[in-house]
This record gives sequence, C-alpha cells and structure tokens, in this order.
Amino acid sequence: EAGVAQSPRYKIIEKRQSVAFWCNPISGHATLYWYQQILGQGPKLLIQFQNNGVVDDSQLPKDRFSAERLKGVDSTLKIQPAKLEDSAVYLCASSSTGTERATQYFGPGTRLLVL
Amino acid sequence: GDSVTQMEGPVTLSEEAFLTINCTYTATGYPSLFWYVQYPGEGLQLLLKATKADDKGSNKGFEATYRKETTSFHLEKGSVQVSDSAVYFCALTGNTGKLIFGQGTTLQVKP
Repeated sequence: EAGVAQSPRYKIIEKRQSVAFWCNPISGHATLYWYQQILGQGPKLLIQFQNNGVVDDSQLPKDRFSAERLKGVDSTLKIQPAKLEDSAVYLCASSSTGTERATQYFGPGTRLLVL
Repeated sequence: GDSVTQMEGPVTLSEEAFLTINCTYTATGYPSLFWYVQYPGEGLQLLLKATKADDKGSNKGFEATYRKETTSFHLEKGSVQVSDSAVYFCALTGNTGKLIFGQGTTLQVKP
C-alpha cells in the first residue's frame, strides 16, 4: 500500500513570495490533515478535511494561508505572501476516518525556508 | 484546552540501557494516546497507541500504558539500541481526530 505522498520535499523562497505544497493521501482515506512543524517543536494542526469539506481550520492564518481538497482526494496548501516565521516543515497526514481512534499516517513533509 | 507535556531532552543513554520518556496530558473527555517517532531525515511514524484507560500499547520492544488516574502515558524500553536514536513525540486526539503533540524528546543512544 502506497503511503502519503508530498511534494516538493524542499523549497527555498524569499519573504513576500508565494509557495504551494501538494499532498496525495493514502487511497480511500477520507480525512486529510495539514500540520506545521517548527524546528524544535511538535507538529501543530493547520487544517483538517473530511472528504472535501473543512472540519477544523481554527489554527490556519487565513490572511496568508489557504488550502483546498478538490474531489476529496489530493490537497494543496498555499502561502501568499510568505513571512520569515513560516519557515517550517509542512506535514500532510491522512486517516480512514476523522475519529479519535483512527491512526494518522504521515507523509515525508515539505521543508520550507523563507529568506 | 487539551495539551501534552513531555520530559525535556535530549536524553543520552548507552546501548542496552533502560529508557523512560515521561508524558502527561490534559484533556476533556477520553482521548486516545499515541507515541510517534521521527528518525533523522524521515517523516513521523506511529510507534504505538492506546485508546482507553489501562490499555498497553507495544511495538518494537517499546511499551506505554494509558494511566487515567495520573493522566500519563510514559514510554519505556528495556534495552535501547543505537538504531533507536530519534525524536519521540507523545500525542493525544480529541473527538475531531486532530492530533495534539508534545514538544518532542530527542534520544541519543551511544554504542
């Protein structure tokens, strides 16, 4: 079974530029998550999708971050414009259901450096 | 709100030593508890989980028991190896399924 795929793996941009990350979850997984992991900290949820609907985006900085999950499969996370403090690893995860007992499977992450 | 607190790292041990990484949590309701591991240069991997009080999760020689009375989920291993060197994250899920992570504990095992 293929795991969660993410691209690109690394991205370097200058502040005020825009950037987009892509995620393909495990086949059949209805729930998709985007997490931000700042160096030295645990991951923090940015947004949770159930199929193509948003369940939780309370921690998403909506003035600069946006995410979509068209057709309930792949997802894209965008930052526009980027700030220095957005330098982090962006992790995508998926699970079969959005319940507390469901295991989340993580992709390798996209490491973003904003200069 | 819900939160997870892990012991500060880094933890440095010699091979075959006993490992304990402390984890305590604050949560409303009855969360599920997880330990994830992140090896150098790799993504997060589920190590073990427990979904109700007194459950013991185990995998690859690691164990953790869900203690509701002390709100703890300490990770243990009887004999660590160099290959166990990694960052370990304790986490819980609320009823929406989102994971709330601790800050992570770096383990370094020396031969």
